[in-house]
Amino acid sequence: KAGVTQTPRYLIKTRGQQVTLSCSPISGHRSVSWYQQTPGQGLQFLFEYFSETQRNKGNFPGRFSGRQFSNSRSEMNVSTLELGDSALYLCASSQNPGQVQYGYTFGSGTRLTVV
Amino acid sequence: SQKIEQNSEALNIQEGKTATLTCNYTNYSPAYLQWYRQDPGRGPVFLLLIRENEKEKRKERLKVTFDTTLKQSLFHITASQPADSATYLCALTGGGNKLTFGTGTQLKVEL
Repeated sequence: KAGVTQTPRYLIKTRGQQVTLSCSPISGHRSVSWYQQTPGQGLQFLFEYFSETQRNKGNFPGRFSGRQFSNSRSEMNVSTLELGDSALYLCASSQNPGQVQYGYTFGSGTRLTVV
Repeated sequence: SQKIEQNSEALNIQEGKTATLTCNYTNYSPAYLQWYRQDPGRGPVFLLLIRENEKEKRKERLKVTFDTTLKQSLFHITASQPADSATYLCALTGGGNKLTFGTGTQLKVEL
């Protein structure tokens, strides 16, 4: 079956702009989480969605937001981009929030560069 | 504050040897500990999960131990191969689905 699909793969934006990233989970997976990966901070949890509801949120400013659609696809949005937002943004899917024992399936990520 | 530490240095070993990676944590009571592999420019790939009441888990050439008293997990790759070269991440789950990741250890297996 198809894996987790993230689009676009690469993105270059200017400071102050906003950006929307997309994630399509594995078919049948209803839980989607987002992570930011930078060389300095490593992988950091942004938020988690299940059944179109945000269940968990990491310690990021309000400029970072997300949503999930009825087909489980998810988007995250970053407004008023800053240089420090340059990172690899990763999406992970799982069947349900309680099935952590199967691990998470990550997409290849979206590489965002803010100039 | 919660902290997860992995071998800070890169680990270079010879092909055929056993690689041992360390994950130490503080101020945390994880229900599960997971290990992932990440290749450059790719997302992490799930390898193994061990629960707080398990001491050891194996999968093919991989073995994970979990000592909640020492607050440490060890990840072993036996008969290592150059294809095992990657960054290995440990991640803890306390409650809910949120994963807290360590900084990762870069493993290089040389011929």
